[in-house]
Amino acid sequence: AQSVAQPEDQVNVAEGNPLTVKCTYSVSGNPYLFWYVQYPNRGLQFLLKYITGDNLVKGSYGFEAEFNKSQTSFHLKKPSALVSDSALYFCAGFYNQGGKLIFGQGTELSVKP
Amino acid sequence: ETGVTQSPTHLIKTRGQQVTLRCSSQSGHNTVSWYQQALGQGPQFIFQYYREEENGRGNFPPRFSGLQFPNYSSELNVNALELDDSALYLCASSLGGQGSYEQYFGPGTRLTVT
Repeated sequence: AQSVAQPEDQVNVAEGNPLTVKCTYSVSGNPYLFWYVQYPNRGLQFLLKYITGDNLVKGSYGFEAEFNKSQTSFHLKKPSALVSDSALYFCAGFYNQGGKLIFGQGTELSVKP
Repeated sequence: ETGVTQSPTHLIKTRGQQVTLRCSSQSGHNTVSWYQQALGQGPQFIFQYYREEENGRGNFPPRFSGLQFPNYSSELNVNALELDDSALYLCASSLGGQGSYEQYFGPGTRLTVT
């Protein structure tokens, strides 16, 4: 079955430190992978996507993600975390089955000053 | 802001009632997808409409139905509401139904079923 997993419910980081939010996927064929962020009482905001090409994808607000086919991972990274980065982050995969975007369960990122 | 709007913002209904949620897609987008996000969970795909036709459906019963209009706005209808239907309903618009197009989400409609 196609799936996306985020193994950490919560990630805590000190402001200024690098952050990583983990995502793994299970799919047959080549996946399209996305990261979204959700602030309280708001919809999801697109950060970046991997379709094909370079394994390092750069997105909005200084975020980037590394696609690793051998490890079936697509981890979200940022070199220097900000308190304002605190939010709920979702990894998602698109498997071209009738428009279906499959989401992970989400990771709560908390950045402390 | 994405340009995707949803109405109403909040809604309270009683079990057994019917509800209609509305979504206006971002300008230039011809595809709308609907998702259900229960508390503490990731969004679950309900269905997608591409140029007024259903393009795919998730694991939701037939009492969840939809519609897309010529201007690409969309409605989600839920009949015979159950308590478990309480959730945030999100719509997302995109340039097409393929995966290469990122989906842009609206702020959601919070539905509470009592």
